[in-house]
Formats: sequence, C-alpha cells, structure tokens
Amino acid sequence: KAGVTQTPRYLIKTRGQQVTLSCSPISGHRSVSWYQQTPGQGLQFLFEYFSETQRNKGNFPGRFSGRQFSNSRSEMNVSTLELGDSALYLCASSSPSGYNEQFFGPGTRLTVL
Amino acid sequence: DQQVKQNSPSLSVQEGRISILNCDYTNSMFDYFLWYKKYPAEGPTFLISISSIKDKNEDGRFTVFLNKSAKHLSLHIVPSQPGDSAVYFCAAENSGGSNYKLTFGKGTLLTVNP
Repeated sequence: KAGVTQTPRYLIKTRGQQVTLSCSPISGHRSVSWYQQTPGQGLQFLFEYFSETQRNKGNFPGRFSGRQFSNSRSEMNVSTLELGDSALYLCASSSPSGYNEQFFGPGTRLTVL
Repeated sequence: DQQVKQNSPSLSVQEGRISILNCDYTNSMFDYFLWYKKYPAEGPTFLISISSIKDKNEDGRFTVFLNKSAKHLSLHIVPSQPGDSAVYFCAAENSGGSNYKLTFGKGTLLTVNP
C-alpha cells in the first residue's frame, strides 16, 4: 500500500506570495491532518479534515487554509507569505477506525525569502 | 500552554546500552500516547503506542511505559543501535474527544555512538 505523498517536496517563495501544498493520503484513509514543524517547536497542528469537512483547526492565522476533496486528497494554502512561514509542512493520514495513529508524508520544505 | 513536554532536547548513549526518552503531559483527558521517530528530511514514522488502560507496551527493542498518576511516559530502546539516531517525538490524544488531533512534544534528539 502506497504511503502518504506530498508535493512539491521543496518550494522557495518570496514574501507576499501565496503557496498551495498538496497531500495524497494512504488509500482508504479519510482523515488528513496538517502540521507545521519549525526548529525547536515540534509539530504544530494546523487543521484536520474528514470527508471534506474541517473538524478542527489549530492556532494559526487565517492566512493558513485548507480543503479536502472527495477522493480524500487535501491541499493547504498560505497567502501573503511571511518569513516566519518558512518551515517543514507535514501531512498525515489516519484510518477512520481505531485510535488516531497518524501516518506522515515526507513533508514539503517551504522557504520564504 | 504546552500540554506535552519533552524536557530533554538531546540524549547521547553508547551503542548496545539502553536509551530512555521521557515525556510528561498535563492534560488528564489524554488517554492514548504515541512515539514517533524522525530522520532529517523525512516525515515522522510511527514507532509504538500505548493506551491508558495499560502501563507497558513492548515491540521488539522498544518498550513504552506509562505512569498515569505521574502523567509521565517513557520510551526504552534496548539495545541502542547507531541507526536509532533520530529525533523522537512523544504525542498524545484524547481518543474519546472530538478534536481529532495529536498533541506533540518538541522532540528529543537521540544520538547513539558506535
């Protein structure tokens, strides 16, 4: 079974631009979560989607948004990029049954110049 | 408010010895705990988990211990191998809640020296 895939793997943008990141979950997984990882800060929860509905959102500004499609693929968008948005963005999917064991993709490394 | 804390940013052990990584939590609603391992430029990989109805779970060289009264869990790796060198994240969730998220600690960098 293929794992979680994320595209692109690396991205360089400038301040003020916007960016869209994509995530394809493991086949059969309907829950997709997004996290931001910065040095020394661990994984900060952005949002979680299930069946095209956002069920939870972390403490990030409205510039961070996401959506999920009917095939469970998800995208996250960051508008008006700031230098502090430079981070590794991780997507994780989990099975609808049982505990919330999340399986992560390799991440997208975003650099904002 | 950091609900999951890993107070040791780094740990260095010799190959063959035991590695003990610690994690504390403050939210008494957490009832499921996970450990993830992360290599640079890769996503975290699920290692082992434990439910609050247990106090120990073992999988090969990895054992997780849970002390609910102290709100403390630990991951033991025995024997440690150089390939275990990575950042280890502790995570927790309230499985009966409706927030559908894992809360992560900031991670501990483990270095296993040959």
